[in-house]
Amino acid sequence: AQKITQTQPGMFVQEKEAVTLDCTYDTSDPSYGLFWYKQPSSGEMIFLIYQGSYDQQNATEGRYSLNFQKARKSANLVISASQLGDSAMYFCAMRESTDKLIFGTGTRLQVFP
Amino acid sequence: NAGVTQTPKFQVLKTGQSMTLQCAQDMNHEYMSWYRQDPGMGLRLIHYSVGAGITDQGEVPNGYNVSRSTTEDFPLRLLSAAPSQTSVYFCASRSSESSYEQYFGPGTRLTVT
Repeated sequence: AQKITQTQPGMFVQEKEAVTLDCTYDTSDPSYGLFWYKQPSSGEMIFLIYQGSYDQQNATEGRYSLNFQKARKSANLVISASQLGDSAMYFCAMRESTDKLIFGTGTRLQVFP
Repeated sequence: NAGVTQTPKFQVLKTGQSMTLQCAQDMNHEYMSWYRQDPGMGLRLIHYSVGAGITDQGEVPNGYNVSRSTTEDFPLRLLSAAPSQTSVYFCASRSSESSYEQYFGPGTRLTVT
């Protein structure tokens, strides 16, 4: 069963606007972590934000915030004030109590002027 | 502090050849992992290790071997390369003291003809 689902293959957003990238997950483990990574065209994996399953508040890192809805098993990434440099692939990932990190198929974000 | 290093950056193999992808980290991290990324997909876990002498299989382990004789090194061996193993390979590491700081190497692009 697919554990991480990203249903948006591609998204467009205008510069300075906010955008939400969707991620849903499936697990029976009560202890898990959720991650978002950015992969620019150069190929490296850049960590953006992390949410633990027991964290009470939504994680935020600068312009990135994670909208964590535990009952719905969703962990959407919100990017505020988009910049041209935000154009990249974005991956949602989950780690359960083992050290296995499972990735979604990604969303390609394109920011236009 | 070099972080996670991978060699080579690029490699072309013929079907049936064997080779080893090298991964090293200088951060004294206990956890190390190997992922592959195929076009249009997220990363998939091949093998991982929670410490020297301990390895386990991920999602797609067939055709690959690993060993972890030291904390620093985690080589990935392709025993008999197949065109289906054409991919970009990422090595990653993290400390057991951090829930989320996973460091990725720059990747190795492997083509099997």
